[in-house]
Amino acid sequence: AQKVTQAQTEISVVEKEDVTLDCVYETRDTTYYLFWYKQPPSGELVFLIRRNSFDEQNEISGRYSWNFQKSTSSFNFTITASQVVDSAVYFCALSEANRDDKIIFGKGTRLHILP
Amino acid sequence: DGGITQSPKYLFRKEGQNVTLSCEQNLNHDAMYWYRQDPGQGLRLIYYSQIVNDFQKGDIAEGYSVSREKKESFPLTVTSAQKNPTAFYLCASSISSGGPYEQYFGPGTRLTVT
Repeated sequence: AQKVTQAQTEISVVEKEDVTLDCVYETRDTTYYLFWYKQPPSGELVFLIRRNSFDEQNEISGRYSWNFQKSTSSFNFTITASQVVDSAVYFCALSEANRDDKIIFGKGTRLHILP
Repeated sequence: DGGITQSPKYLFRKEGQNVTLSCEQNLNHDAMYWYRQDPGQGLRLIYYSQIVNDFQKGDIAEGYSVSREKKESFPLTVTSAQKNPTAFYLCASSISSGGPYEQYFGPGTRLTVT
């Protein structure tokens, strides 16, 4: 069965600090995809990244970076030099290939960036 | 601008009434999805459709119904059989073939039933 665990329910950091959001997943498939989404206070989910299970290279996009480690079934997300606009709920998600493209979401981590 | 629209943003209904939530997309995506989000919870899949005139139940389909008569539209009806309908409802769409691809979300509808 597939499962996504985001153990950090809520995190608060002071602006300009770095922060890492943890994501641990469970799957029996060898082919799967991982995602991160951001949900600002407006409510609409914003897609951040999609990564397949065969690509373990870390990715950096501006202040955002992602660390994918199959050995520990983790796909962690780091925000460098955090800003108040980064305050949101962040969801990690998993989708197994050949499962009608269904995505299973974690429960999310609420991130507060304090000015 | 391409995107997904959901209307209305806020909806209030009396218990025992059916209510239909609108979802329209102009991204030319084949697949569409409905999720429910409760406070402090992740998203739970209600229904999804990968092609016109076809849809499948998600994890919490009881008390809900959908239709997919047009590629662009995927309305969700919350029936009186849904025991706890008050929630935030999100619609999403994605490219279907060769996926799974990322889903793009609408702004959501917050439904309150009293």
